[in-house]
Amino acid sequence: AQKVTQAQTEISVVEKEDVTLDCVYETRDTTYYLFWYKQPPSGELVFLIRRNSFDEQNEISGRYSWNFQKSTSSFNFTITASQVVDSAVYFCALSDKDDKIIFGKGTRLHILP
Amino acid sequence: DAGVTQSPTHLIKTRGQQVTLRCSPKSGHDTVSWYQQALGQGPQFIFQYYEEEERQRGNFPDRFSGHQFPNYSSELNVNALLLGDSALYLCASSLMYEQYFGPGTRLTVT
Repeated sequence: AQKVTQAQTEISVVEKEDVTLDCVYETRDTTYYLFWYKQPPSGELVFLIRRNSFDEQNEISGRYSWNFQKSTSSFNFTITASQVVDSAVYFCALSDKDDKIIFGKGTRLHILP
Repeated sequence: DAGVTQSPTHLIKTRGQQVTLRCSPKSGHDTVSWYQQALGQGPQFIFQYYEEEERQRGNFPDRFSGHQFPNYSSELNVNALLLGDSALYLCASSLMYEQYFGPGTRLTVT
């Protein structure tokens, strides 16, 4: 069965600090996709990144970076120099070839001014 | 290019009633998936439509049904509403594994 675990329910950091959101996944598929979504208070899910299971290269996009490690089934997300606008709920998710997305329970991130 | 749109934005219903939610996919997308997000939880997959057929289904009762039209838009129907059906209902459209989510419909059952 597929499963995504986000062990951190809620995190609070002071603005400009770096913060890492953890994600561990389970799947028996060899081909799968991993995602991170941001959900601000408005409720809309904002797509941040998608990685396929064959691409373990880390990725950086501005202040955001992602560390994908198949050996530990982890796909962690780091925000560098956090800002108040980063405050939101962040979801890690997994999908297989059938395109169904399994979400974690989310991590609520508070960036304090 | 309009993204995924959903209507209505908010809805209040009474237990036992029926509700229909609507979704228009992003232009060019042929697959529509529906998710239920209860308060404080991650979205849960309800079902997915492709070529007007239900392609796969999550762990939801038959009270949840759907439809996809020839223009790829979709409806989610929920019968015999329960208080526990109160949630944000998200629609996602996709083409080759790129899923885009709509803003959601917040359903409150009283």
